Amino acid sequence: EIVMTQSPATLSVSPGERATLSCRASQYVESDVAWYQQKPGQAPRLLIYAASTRATGVPVRFSGSGSGTDFTLTISSLQSEDFAVYYCQQYDVWPLTFGGGTKVEIK
Amino acid sequence: EENLLESGGGSVQPGGSLRLSCAASGFTFNNYAMNWVRQAPGRRLEWVSNIGGSGGPIFYADSVKGRFSISRDNSKNMVYLQMNSLRAEDTAVYYCAKDSLSVGGHWLDPWGQGTLVTVSS
Repeated sequence: EIVMTQSPATLSVSPGERATLSCRASQYVESDVAWYQQKPGQAPRLLIYAASTRATGVPVRFSGSGSGTDFTLTISSLQSEDFAVYYCQQYDVWPLTFGGGTKVEIK
Repeated sequence: EENLLESGGGSVQPGGSLRLSCAASGFTFNNYAMNWVRQAPGRRLEWVSNIGGSGGPIFYADSVKGRFSISRDNSKNMVYLQMNSLRAEDTAVYYCAKDSLSVGGHWLDPWGQGTLVTVSS
C-alpha cells in the first residue's frame, strides 16, 4: 500500500502567519491527493482535492500544490479557527491511505 | 445540505459482532459510492471499506477482509457495516463518508460525526 508521510508532526504558528504543511507519498500518485481538517471531537472536513482544488466553501487562504509524490498545503494567514490537525489522503490506488497528520498549534 | 448520521456503535467483547448504520440525506444517494473510515485513539485515519452506488463493486482493507461486510439499501438511503469476529485493534471511532463518484474511491465529503466501537473483555 502507499504510505503517506506528513511533516512536521506539529507546527507552532502565530495567528496571521503562514503555515506550510508537507505530505510525501511512497510512490507516484499523480494529483490524486486530498487534504482534510479535523478539530477535536469532530469529523474530518474536506479542504482540497485533486491536489489543488478547493472544496466548496473553503476559504481562499487554504491552497494546495504538488503532484507525483510531493504535496503541500499552505494556509496563507492563520486564523484562530484554523488551529487543528490536517491529514492528506491518496486515492490513486486501493487501499485509500491517509497521512499521520500535522497538528497546527498556536505559538 | 448533505448529511450523514451513524449509529450502532457500542462496547462488545472480543469475538463479538456489531452492525453499524449510516443514514444519508440531502443528496441523490444511489449516485455515490460510500465509505467507512475508522480512527483508533491517537492514530491516523484508516479506510475500511467502500461500496459503489448501485451496490457494487465492493472493496475492503486487508485488516478487515473476511470479517467485515458492507452493504447499502438505496430505497432507505442507508449504508451498513456488519462487523464480525471483532478484535481489540478494531476499537475506534467509525465514520461514514460519501465518495465523490459513483464507483471507486476518491475524496470523501461529507463525513458523519462518527460512532465509537470499543472491543474489550
